[in-house]
Amino acid sequence: EAGVAQSPRYKIIEKRQSVAFWCNPISGHATLYWYQQILGQGPKLLIQFQNNGVVDDSQLPKDRFSAERLKGVDSTLKIQPAKLEDSAVYLCASSQRTGWDTDTQYFGPGTRLTVL
Amino acid sequence: AQSVTQLDSHVSVSEGTPVLLRCNYSSSYSPSLFWYVQHPNKGLQLLLKYTSAATLVKGINGFEAEFKKSETSFHLTKPSAHMSDAAEYFCVLAADKLIFGTGTRLQVFP
Repeated sequence: EAGVAQSPRYKIIEKRQSVAFWCNPISGHATLYWYQQILGQGPKLLIQFQNNGVVDDSQLPKDRFSAERLKGVDSTLKIQPAKLEDSAVYLCASSQRTGWDTDTQYFGPGTRLTVL
Repeated sequence: AQSVTQLDSHVSVSEGTPVLLRCNYSSSYSPSLFWYVQHPNKGLQLLLKYTSAATLVKGINGFEAEFKKSETSFHLTKPSAHMSDAAEYFCVLAADKLIFGTGTRLQVFP
């Protein structure tokens, strides 16, 4: 089966510009996650969707980050305006359900964002 | 508080020698624990998971991990390293979300 697709793979922008990332999860997966992975750290959850509803966005910096999953399939994550500290790899993952202890998350290759 | 600590940021081994990547956890509840591997420019891949069944968990590519409640540890091992094992490894605790450790970079020398 096809894996989680993300685009673009790399993006370089100036601070204060805006940027958007796209994710297409594995077909049939109800749950979609966006993670931020700063260099030298493990991924940190930004937002979790169950179908097209938000389950957890407690760690999303809502003054500049937004995400949507309008039709319960693919999703976009936007940053506006970007700051230097937003430089990171943004990972998208999907799973069939929301059982943290039993449900495997499948990760995409990520988008590497550099903010200059 | 729920947390995971990976005790080594870098581990170097020779091909054909054993691998040990160490992980300790802190959890108020009976934990579910995972190991993920991340190869350069590729997505994270699940190696194995512990969900309160057998304490010795076998994963893909010859890796296994043992859950030790008395030591709050979940160390990852492999009897014989292969060059293709060179990657970043993450120990992960499942709480209300996945909590990742800071990662251990495994280098394998020929």
